[in-house]
Amino acid sequence: AQRVTQPEKLLSVFKGAPVELKCNYSYSGSPELFWYVQYSRQRLQLLLRHISRESIKGFTADLNKGETSFHLKKPFAQEEDSAMYYCALSGFGNEKLTFGTGTRLTIIP
Amino acid sequence: DVKVTQSSRYLVKRTGEKVFLECVQDMDHENMFWYRQDPGLGLRLIYFSYDVKMKEKGDIPEGYSVSREKKERFSLILESASTNQTSMYLCASREGINEQFFGPGTRLTVL
Repeated sequence: AQRVTQPEKLLSVFKGAPVELKCNYSYSGSPELFWYVQYSRQRLQLLLRHISRESIKGFTADLNKGETSFHLKKPFAQEEDSAMYYCALSGFGNEKLTFGTGTRLTIIP
Repeated sequence: DVKVTQSSRYLVKRTGEKVFLECVQDMDHENMFWYRQDPGLGLRLIYFSYDVKMKEKGDIPEGYSVSREKKERFSLILESASTNQTSMYLCASREGINEQFFGPGTRLTVL
């Protein structure tokens, strides 16, 4: 069975401060990890995936297989980062995604 | 621009009614999904389809059924709506293990 845990339902950070959204997973095989984001009144969209190793909108996430984590980080928060963030996992070659419960990030001006 | 569209943004139905939620994608994707999104519970998979007429139960299929007669269209059916099915319903499509694209969602209220 695959499982994704996001321990924080809500996270508030001051503008300019670092942001870290936590994600832990449980999966016996080789996982593919994703972060999806939903801005206010917009549809859910992909932010980044671990295999691309990109930085999107200043966000990065590193897959740590030892700690089974895929935390999302940004060094300096911006007001437009306020959104709902979901961590998701699929098994290697598996089309089905399992989502975490989400973290609502609020950036305080 | 890729598109997943859902037939309604808002829907209000009465307990016991049969409800149809329609989803269409224009990307020729094999895989389509229906989720419900509830505060504190995240996205939970109801059903998914990996080909025309093929379907598989997700994590919470009870009270729902689906239909996929054409590749681009995936319908979610509530045979007899109940108040605990009040939720936001999201449709998505995906090709293989690539990016999953979501529709705008349908907010269903069952009175």
